[in-house]
Amino acid sequence: NAGVTQTPKFRILKIGQSMTLQCAQDMNHNYMYWYRQDPGMGLKLIYYSVGAGITDKGEVPNGYNVSRSTTEDFPLRLELAAPSQTSVYFCASSYLFYYLGTGGFYGNQPQHFGDGTRLSIL
Amino acid sequence: DAKTTQPNSMESNEEEPVHLPCNHSTISGTDYIHWYRQLPSQGPEYVIHGLTSNVNNRMASLAIAEDRKSSTLILHRATLRDAAVYYCIQVDYGGSQGNLIFGKGTKLSVKP
Repeated sequence: NAGVTQTPKFRILKIGQSMTLQCAQDMNHNYMYWYRQDPGMGLKLIYYSVGAGITDKGEVPNGYNVSRSTTEDFPLRLELAAPSQTSVYFCASSYLFYYLGTGGFYGNQPQHFGDGTRLSIL
Repeated sequence: DAKTTQPNSMESNEEEPVHLPCNHSTISGTDYIHWYRQLPSQGPEYVIHGLTSNVNNRMASLAIAEDRKSSTLILHRATLRDAAVYYCIQVDYGGSQGNLIFGKGTKLSVKP
């Protein structure tokens, strides 16, 4: 199994350019996520999706857009690249299900991560 | 912000056990504790997770304190490949749908 595949692995952009980071998973997971990781820091959630056609903002969504037209794909779009968006971007997926019953709660399987896209904006 | 606190770094000798501590004093009844690790130049990798009782899998063991305010990830015999940043994450399966909030983690160095 390929798992989570991210393309490209590396990219250099000029300020103001736009690009799309691709992410695909072959595990039939319903949830998908985009994170960014700045040097020496932990990952921060940008956007996530609970299924095709449904997306929601994470902790740091400004400057990014996402769409989810299929279960497998979850592209991340940068419209006007800025130096502050220089980072490593990780895509992840998981299967989350909702337990019915008293209170109700979500249970899920671990998140599976891709190898990342290293993006520099100059 | 991350809800857990971990030491910035730890060192271990190869083939010795490693105990990685984590404090999560604000944990609520339905929050799980997850551990991920990130090898150099790779994406995070799931290690283990638990709720109340101790858990074991092929990678590690997780010991959770009785009051659930702290836990310890145990690598039984460290190898050079275990050198990584280890993240302890308190996961809210209620309101936040299990989203992961990463802190800076503990950077584990393994000496041959």
